[in-house]
Amino acid sequence: RKEVEQDPGPFNVPEGATVAFNCTYSNSASQSFFWYRQDCRKEPKLLMSVYSSGNEDGRFTAQLNRASQYISLLIRDSKLSDSATYLCVVNMVTNAGKSTFGDGTTLTVKP
Amino acid sequence: NAGVTQTPKFQVLKTGQSMTLQCAQDMNHNSMYWYRQDPGMGLRLIYYSASEGTTDKGEVPNGYNVSRLNKREFSLRLESAAPSQTSVYFCASSHRGRDTEAFFGQGTRLTVV
Repeated sequence: RKEVEQDPGPFNVPEGATVAFNCTYSNSASQSFFWYRQDCRKEPKLLMSVYSSGNEDGRFTAQLNRASQYISLLIRDSKLSDSATYLCVVNMVTNAGKSTFGDGTTLTVKP
Repeated sequence: NAGVTQTPKFQVLKTGQSMTLQCAQDMNHNSMYWYRQDPGMGLRLIYYSASEGTTDKGEVPNGYNVSRLNKREFSLRLESAAPSQTSVYFCASSHRGRDTEAFFGQGTRLTVV
């Protein structure tokens, strides 16, 4: 079983739709969580960190459920520019900052 | 605002050839990483370096060696390239610690024929 699992999609949604991605992690010792965005043939870039209390950044909302060991990303009012692959990332305190990446969920927003 | 710089951006090798991928960061980060990304897959850690002078194996280290030359530079060497090493390679760096953002280079697209 992979340490970090994501639904690969693809998710194809119309502009203005709300879409949600889930990610599960297997190691209960995991301490910090992130969503990265990767555009086609580009490097990943941090989208947002995920905090225990949940956090929001504009149209993006991230949630963490430690009991069920999953994190989620909600995108409201999707834009064409949101089309990308979204990577779930998990860090553990004991791993010197080493990150474990999910395989990514691909989102395509259509006019 | 250079951030993380990787060279080269593209490379084609013949099976058995060797090459070194270079990576440098100007953000005074302690930790540096090399990942590979195969089509449709996430990033897999090859090697990482928590600080100058230290390196550790990641998930897929076979066929690779690394050197942390100084705090800024972290190189990845393929001694005898194989077609299975065809991939996109990303270098990244971050401050030490669990809650820190990783910054990535633009990637090296390597094809081994």
